[in-house]
This record gives sequence, structure tokens and C-alpha cells, in this order.
Amino acid sequence: NAGVTQTPKFQVLKTGQSMTLQCAQDMNHEYMSWYRQDPGMGLRLIHYSVGAGITDQGEVPNGYNVSRSTTEDFPLRLLSAAPSQTSVYFCASSKSGTPLYTFGSGTRLTVV
Amino acid sequence: DQQVKQNSPSLSVQEGRISILNCDYTNSMFDYFLWYKKYPAEGPTFLISISSIKDKNEDGRFTVFLNKSAKHLSLHIVPSQPGDSAVYFCAATRAGNNRKLIWGLGTSLAVNP
Repeated sequence: NAGVTQTPKFQVLKTGQSMTLQCAQDMNHEYMSWYRQDPGMGLRLIHYSVGAGITDQGEVPNGYNVSRSTTEDFPLRLLSAAPSQTSVYFCASSKSGTPLYTFGSGTRLTVV
Repeated sequence: DQQVKQNSPSLSVQEGRISILNCDYTNSMFDYFLWYKKYPAEGPTFLISISSIKDKNEDGRFTVFLNKSAKHLSLHIVPSQPGDSAVYFCAATRAGNNRKLIWGLGTSLAVNP
């Protein structure tokens, strides 16, 4: 079982560039979410989805877009990268109504 | 405003001894608590959880204690092993709200041989 797969693992962007972080899960989980982890800040929720076609904002959504066209995929789009978006990004999924999340291995993003 | 607090950023213990990681919370509506473990360059993995109707849950070397009156929980690891060296996150959730997790900032545990 692959679990939650994130690509790429590493990325360097220039300020103003856009890109999409990919997240796919093969566990038929309804709930998917994106977090960013910064030193001293813990895990902060960016966006989440409770099912295909349904997305909502977390605590730090600005500068990011998401969509959920299938149960399996939940891409995160950076519209115009800024140095403040330098971070490690984690995608997580869970069965609906349960807090037992499965995380991907993360994407380390550097914006220069 | 940090609803889940892990006041010790780091902890160092000797192999074979007990590790105690602490977590405090402020929201009395939380009814389920979890500990996740994170190694460098990996995503967090679920370790152990406890419902608010219990005060203790045990899984092998790991035990979580919940003191609702003090709004405090702790993770005990006995005996500690070098492979336990990782960052441990405490998280809490409440019914409804899509079971979103509220996270602490983590405690970095180093178990020395």
C-alpha cells in the first residue's frame, strides 16, 4: 500500500513563480488536508477537503489554492510564490469523522 | 492563541529510563487526544490516542495519561530506546468540526545510548 504520496520531495522556486504540489492517497479516505511546518510554529492547516468537490480554508490559506476533483487527489497550488512560503508541506488523509491521519513524507519548498 | 501547549521543546533521557512528555490544553470541548511521532525528513505517524472518557491508554512501551480536571495529558515511554528519538506532537480534537486536529508545537526527544 502506497498510503499518501507527495511529489515533489524538494523544490526551489523563484519569487513570483507558481507551482502545484501533488498529493494522492489510495486508502479511499474522504478527508484530506494540507499542512505547513515551520520552525517553532508546529503544524498549521492550510486547506482541507471532506470529499470530492468540497474544500475549505484552514488557518493559513492565503497564497494557496486547492481543488478536489477525485477522492484520491488533492493538489495544492501556489499562485505566486513568496519567500514566506518557504516551508515543509505535508499532506494528510483520514477516514471521514476520524482524527487518525496518515501523512505523506512531505515536500520541502524553498522560495528565493 | 495556543490551545494545545507542549511547554518543553526538547527532552533528553538515557536509554532504558522513562521518558515523560507533557501536553496541556485549554479547550474543555476537546474529547479526543492523540500523540504523533515524527522522524526527520518523514511525515508524522500516529502513535497512541485517548478518549476523554478514559484516563489511561496503554500500547506496549507507550502509555498516555489524561487528567481532565487539570487539562493535562502525558506520554510515558518505558523503557526508552534510541529509536524513540524523534519529535512528538500532541494533538486534540472535538466532536464535529470535521474532527480537525489542533496541534502542539512538538517536543524533540533524544534517547542517549
